[in-house]
Amino acid sequence: QKEVEQDPGPLSVPEGAIVSLNCTYSNSAFQYFMWYRQYSRKGPELLMYTYSSGNKEDGRFTAQVDKSSKYISLFIRDSQPSDSATYLCALGYSSASKIIFGSGTRLSIRP
Amino acid sequence: EPEVTQTPSHQVTQMGQEVILRCVPISNHLYFYWYRQILGQKVEFLVSFYNNEISEKSEIFDDQFSVERPDGSNFTLKIRSTKLEDSAMYFCASTLLRDTNEQFFGPGTRLTVL
Repeated sequence: QKEVEQDPGPLSVPEGAIVSLNCTYSNSAFQYFMWYRQYSRKGPELLMYTYSSGNKEDGRFTAQVDKSSKYISLFIRDSQPSDSATYLCALGYSSASKIIFGSGTRLSIRP
Repeated sequence: EPEVTQTPSHQVTQMGQEVILRCVPISNHLYFYWYRQILGQKVEFLVSFYNNEISEKSEIFDDQFSVERPDGSNFTLKIRSTKLEDSAMYFCASTLLRDTNEQFFGPGTRLTVL
């Protein structure tokens, strides 16, 4: 079983839609949960960072962590064409430890 | 806003040659990392570095790889004898504190081994 699983997509939605991106993981020892955005041939850009369970909101982005189900989500409200990118979930076991990345979901927002 | 920088943006080398990839982490950060991403694949951890020592390394990070912080600002990754399969994007990352895992990534160096 893979440590982190993420649907690669591609996912295409119309502008203004709510987007839901998800990852599942197998090891309950993960404590740090991140979402990164990556444009083609660029470095990952940190979008959301959560420690332990719960929700976190930042502007149009909401991250959810459900440790009981080993499931994390990123919601994007009022999606814009500029949100078109690959979204990577990333998990860490402990502080300052290595990050384990999902394979990324390619998202396209249609104008 | 402070950011991680990396040079060069693209490096082309012949198989068997040594390459050094350079990174300048965010200035007050204490933990440094190298990751790589082979085209079309996941971002993979290579090595972490703290207090002038390797903290953790993956099985990819064999004797052909080394890291160094030669001065107060630069953080380098050296590949001694490059192989075709080393062709990838190499990302440097840094984080400030021990009690966090917010890692900030640089733009990457694209390494092409011919």
